[in-house]
This record gives sequence, C-alpha cells and structure tokens, in this order.
Amino acid sequence: DIVMTQSPDSLAVSLGEGVTINCRSSQSLFYAANSKNYLAWFQQKAGQPPKLLIYWASVRESGVPDRFSGSGSGTDFTLTITSLQAEDVASYYCQQYYTSDRTFGQGTKVEIK
Amino acid sequence: QVQLVESGGGVGQPGGSLRLSCAASGFTFSSHGMHWFRQAPGKGLEWLTFIRSDGSYRYADSVKGRFTISRDNSKNTLYLQMNSLGPEDTAVYYCAQDCGLGGSRDFWGQGTLVTVSS
Repeated sequence: DIVMTQSPDSLAVSLGEGVTINCRSSQSLFYAANSKNYLAWFQQKAGQPPKLLIYWASVRESGVPDRFSGSGSGTDFTLTITSLQAEDVASYYCQQYYTSDRTFGQGTKVEIK
Repeated sequence: QVQLVESGGGVGQPGGSLRLSCAASGFTFSSHGMHWFRQAPGKGLEWLTFIRSDGSYRYADSVKGRFTISRDNSKNTLYLQMNSLGPEDTAVYYCAQDCGLGGSRDFWGQGTLVTVSS
C-alpha cells in the first residue's frame, strides 16, 4: 500500500495568516499517460462529511475559494491557504487515488490562534 | 450529476451483522468501480474495500474475512455486508464512485452512521 504522511498534525494560525500543509507519498502518484498526479485534498469540519477541495494535486473543485491551492508532483505535495478565515477551521486530509487501495494522510487540524 | 446515498446504518450488536446500501444515480453505475470508506469517531479516514465493474474486489486487512462488498447493477446499488461486528466498527461509512486512472476525481456520498453497542 502507498503510505501517505502529512505534516504537521495540527497548527494554530492567526486570522489572515497563511497555512501550509505538507503531504508525502511512499511512491509516485504521477500517471504518465495523462501527466496527472492522483492526489486529492479534503476539508472536514466538525460533524460534517469530508469535502473535496483539490484534485489532480492542484485543481480546485468548483466553488472552493481561491485562497486554497494545491501544488507538488510525484511524491511531495502541499496545500496552501493564503489567508486563513474563521470558516477554514477544520481537519485537512490528503489522499492518494493512484491505486484502488486508497490511502489517506493522518490529517492536519487547523485552528485559530 | 453523480448522487450516492448510503443507508442501512444504525445500532448493531457486538458479534452481529448489518448490511449497508449505497444507491447510485447520475452516471452509468455498471461501468464504474466503487469504494467503501469509514471514519471512526475522532479518527481519520480509512479505505475499506473496492469492487471493480467486473465484480472483482479488494479489501483492507482490517475488514478482510468479516466484510463483503457486492453490487447489483440492475438496481444501481452497492452493498457492504458487515459481519462479526466489534466496537472498532463504530464509524460513519461512506461509499464513493471510483474515477479510475484517466478520470479526474472520485465522488462521495454523505455517509451513514453505524454504532456497535449492546
């Protein structure tokens, strides 16, 4: 199985400040046939199902604010929130969907300082 | 648009069984692989099992031998038969459409809660 490692486990940031979450996979998620990285980012607020933010490592899902962005390729990926808003308090998960045995990072909890 | 609606959750007895269903619409169900995931209270997301369009399947070690995935393409429905339930199976269970390599993203349902308790 592909192991996904996220960092940090949690962070507290002031409103308006930036947030960076890292995700590393144990093998490449790059699919050469279409030049896409099969890495997704989810946001999960308390009591709600996970919400897809980013797919193909960097494509924002429809309706997701542009302060959220994804980057990276191969085995190293980053989710960036450029200016944290109160409604962004949540846990964030990376997920590889390169293999049918999907795997997730352990999650990063983002709070307001 | 893709819609996935899970049902069948509730309270199950330790050692007992439950069957979850996932009703699919908005896409050609028979052509897609499908997944089950879960999330225990306060824990992260966990992949459980996958069934391909041809009916072949894979399981996570945590549920192998206890859970069975199946599909009824005539009813556009995915199932998860859960046997030998234990407290560790208490979770919200989600089904998802597999996009496959070449596709863009999976689609998820809203989940159904399973509580294992006597």
